[in-house]
Amino acid sequence: DQQVKQNSPSLSVQEGRISILNCDYTNSMFDYFLWYKKYPAEGPTFLISISSIKDKNEDGRFTVFLNKSAKHLSLHIVPSQPGDSAVYFCAAHWGNDMRFGAGTRLTVKP
Amino acid sequence: NAGVTQTPKFQVLKTGQSMTLQCAQDMNHEYMSWYRQDPGMGLRLIHYSVGAGITDQGEVPNGYNVSRSTTEDFPLRLLSAAPSQTSVYFCASTPRPEEGYTFGSGTRLTVV
Repeated sequence: DQQVKQNSPSLSVQEGRISILNCDYTNSMFDYFLWYKKYPAEGPTFLISISSIKDKNEDGRFTVFLNKSAKHLSLHIVPSQPGDSAVYFCAAHWGNDMRFGAGTRLTVKP
Repeated sequence: NAGVTQTPKFQVLKTGQSMTLQCAQDMNHEYMSWYRQDPGMGLRLIHYSVGAGITDQGEVPNGYNVSRSTTEDFPLRLLSAAPSQTSVYFCASTPRPEEGYTFGSGTRLTVV
């Protein structure tokens, strides 16, 4: 069962514009949500996280929004840069378990 | 500061062979995990450890064993390799899971 879903396999945006990556989950027990970025032939890199008791967390150009009633979170990147082009994974944590979405490939065009 | 080091980077096995994927971290992290990444499926947790001497199963543990004799090392053993275990394997560590894991660069395993 896929408890964390990223329904958009790819996203293309223009440099300088906003990138919005979406993630849905089914398990109400998740207490933390995290976003990772992955370049080819490298391991994922942690970007930002949010506790389930919050609805927003911001770190520089990256903001994560959490809507618990909809079981939905999103990552906003503003402004988008060509170096942001990568695969982005949403992850959800509960106890000692971490579930990942299938990833969204972001392409930022110059 | 090396972070999380995985060896080997690439490996080809024949069905039925056994091998150990090595993972070491130098950050004194208590939590360590092994994931596999398959196309279209994201990363799936195989086994994890919350400290030396303590391990537990994740989402897809069958066919794999782990041990954690020291804080630094967390090897993953494939007992009898099967083509279904063809995947990219990532080891990761963290002081606390909610702070995000540091991942190694991965081991690409092919079982023929």
